[in-house]
Amino acid sequence: SYELTQPPSVSVSPGQTARITCSGDTLPKQYAYWYQQKPGQAPLLMIYKDNERPSGVPERFSGSTSGTTVTLTISGVQAEDEAVYYCQSADRGDCVFGGGTKLTVL
Amino acid sequence: QVPLQQWGAGLLKPSETLSLTCAVYIGSFSGYSWSWIRQPPGKGLEWIGEINHSGSTNYNPSLKSRVTISVDTSKNQFSLKLKSVTAADTAVYYCARVITGTTWLAYYYYYFDVWGKGTTVTVSS
Repeated sequence: SYELTQPPSVSVSPGQTARITCSGDTLPKQYAYWYQQKPGQAPLLMIYKDNERPSGVPERFSGSTSGTTVTLTISGVQAEDEAVYYCQSADRGDCVFGGGTKLTVL
Repeated sequence: QVPLQQWGAGLLKPSETLSLTCAVYIGSFSGYSWSWIRQPPGKGLEWIGEINHSGSTNYNPSLKSRVTISVDTSKNQFSLKLKSVTAADTAVYYCARVITGTTWLAYYYYYFDVWGKGTTVTVSS
């Protein structure tokens, strides 16, 4: 199996831009996905195939990729964006999540 | 109707078998693969495995020896069994719909677009 590494925490003030990274040796060859999880709730898909946004997800959420690192960017962070964010990738027959990043809106 | 409705025993003793079922009320059951994911208290997500409508499965290598995922297409349901549980199996267990395939450029994709609400399973003597 393989690993995806995320920072444990990121803090931003409302209106600023938050960037959450996810690193892994296999990411240049695999799509990345991002999920938002609020306390007591199931995860919610926010970004798929590196940078595509499901319908209903605000435009301030975007994804990008560069080499072995993928990034979730939240522009103009709002208080409601405070949550834990998980990256995920997969190869045939296997699927891995990052450890999660707690986004705190100051 | 809840898109994915899951249920099962919430309290187990060590060495018992965990058993959960997820009923699908969204979309075409046969057109998708279905997965189980768990989350220990205060920790991250762990993929357990998946099954497609024809019964083909893939499992997390770390759990493969103890896991069985099955499907009942007549009821649009799929199930998880995890045998010989220990305290380390205490977690919230989620069922989820899998979106998977290959793009025209042959890139593989695999992600979860619909999740159940989760079932808390505690293993304690």
